[in-house]
Amino acid sequence: QKEVEQNSGPLSVPEGAIASLNCTYSDRGSQSFFWYRQYSGKSPELIMSIYSNGDKEDGRFTAQLNKASQYVSLLIRDSQPSDSATYLCAVNKGKLTFGQGTILTVHP
Amino acid sequence: DTEVTQTPKHLVMGMTNKKSLKCEQHMGHRAMYWYKQKAKKPPELMFVYSYEKLSINESVPSRFSPECPNSSLLNLHLHALQPEDSALYLCASSQVGSEQFFGPGTRLTVL
Repeated sequence: QKEVEQNSGPLSVPEGAIASLNCTYSDRGSQSFFWYRQYSGKSPELIMSIYSNGDKEDGRFTAQLNKASQYVSLLIRDSQPSDSATYLCAVNKGKLTFGQGTILTVHP
Repeated sequence: DTEVTQTPKHLVMGMTNKKSLKCEQHMGHRAMYWYKQKAKKPPELMFVYSYEKLSINESVPSRFSPECPNSSLLNLHLHALQPEDSALYLCASSQVGSEQFFGPGTRLTVL
């Protein structure tokens, strides 16, 4: 079992829809969880961090964490073509472990 | 200043060359990181410095040599690299144990 797994994608949604990105992790001792967005040819950009169970909202982005289920998700509301990118889930337990990434395409 | 900067943006080197990558941050972070990223893969951790001391070396070959001259600077010295070392090299910084912020990266090509 991989330490951090993301839904394989690619994920394609129409403009204005909700994009849902999912991630599971294997280490129950993990303490902090992050979502990074990476445009092609660019470096990862931190878009959300979440440390406790529940939801955290920031603009169009909502991160959800369920430590009992070892599950973290990212919802993007009102998706825009500019949201098209690879989304990396990362889990921190001493060091950052990344999932393989999910490619999101938002089509007009 | 909320940026991590890296130089150079691009680097082409031969297998016998010696070169260095540089990273700088002025956010007061006390942890700095080097990652390597190949196409369509997530970043792979190489080294971690915490309070200017090397705390993690992910079994990286000795042809990669990190250096942390002070709390704001991080270097990666390269020597006798192989073509398979061609990749995007990313520097990141954070408060210890907190969220990491990445620099723009150096695109390295080894001929």
